[in-house]
Amino acid sequence: EVELVESGGGLVHPGGSLRLSCVVSGFTFSNYVMSWVRQAPGKGLEWVSSISSSSSTIYYADSVKGRFTISRDNAYNSLHLQMNGLRAEDTAVYYCVRRLYYYAAFDYQEGSYFDYWGRGTLVTVSS
Amino acid sequence: DIEMTQSPSSLSASVGDRVTITCRASQTISSFLNWYRQKPGKAPELLIYASSSLHSGVPSRFSGSGSGTDFTLTISTLQPEDFATYYCQQSQTTPSFGQGTRLEIK
Repeated sequence: EVELVESGGGLVHPGGSLRLSCVVSGFTFSNYVMSWVRQAPGKGLEWVSSISSSSSTIYYADSVKGRFTISRDNAYNSLHLQMNGLRAEDTAVYYCVRRLYYYAAFDYQEGSYFDYWGRGTLVTVSS
Repeated sequence: DIEMTQSPSSLSASVGDRVTITCRASQTISSFLNWYRQKPGKAPELLIYASSSLHSGVPSRFSGSGSGTDFTLTISTLQPEDFATYYCQQSQTTPSFGQGTRLEIK
């Protein structure tokens, strides 16, 4: 059974830092791209960051670029998100998500989707 | 960035009804469109990928269609567990989601 378990959320003051972690089981972690997706209270979903299987390729949303750092440790089946310079608008539930790619031959292009999600960890940024 | 707009933002329906939710992209995304269902207090779950491909284990009452900029999610016969919020998401470029459609019991 696939399981993604996030931890590390909590209450932090504006400008502070927090490190989220996600431990994965049930699939070969080192073979897959992993992502963080967040959801502010009562709001929609926002993709935050993705990291390739070997950590060679990393992407960030503009809203977190320069403040957040995604990383992974394939030896420990774990994904991390180091969040610095936190702002009130970073308040959200953060989900650890597997991102699966497929090749669309008709378009000569890759598409992707988020197929497995953790239960999320709540980050609250408030004074 | 590609903006995704869903309509309606909310709708009311009854068990057994057929419902359709629409998603429009601000520019063409071919068929790189996914749908998710989020039950209250739970993580989202994948329903449809590549516009019309049913994810493993998803009931056949869910179907998706569309290409270019206009897409639809149809639930043929609503079940009690389908009263939730639905999101579309494009993967043509940096992932972005629609604002969500809340499906409520009439």
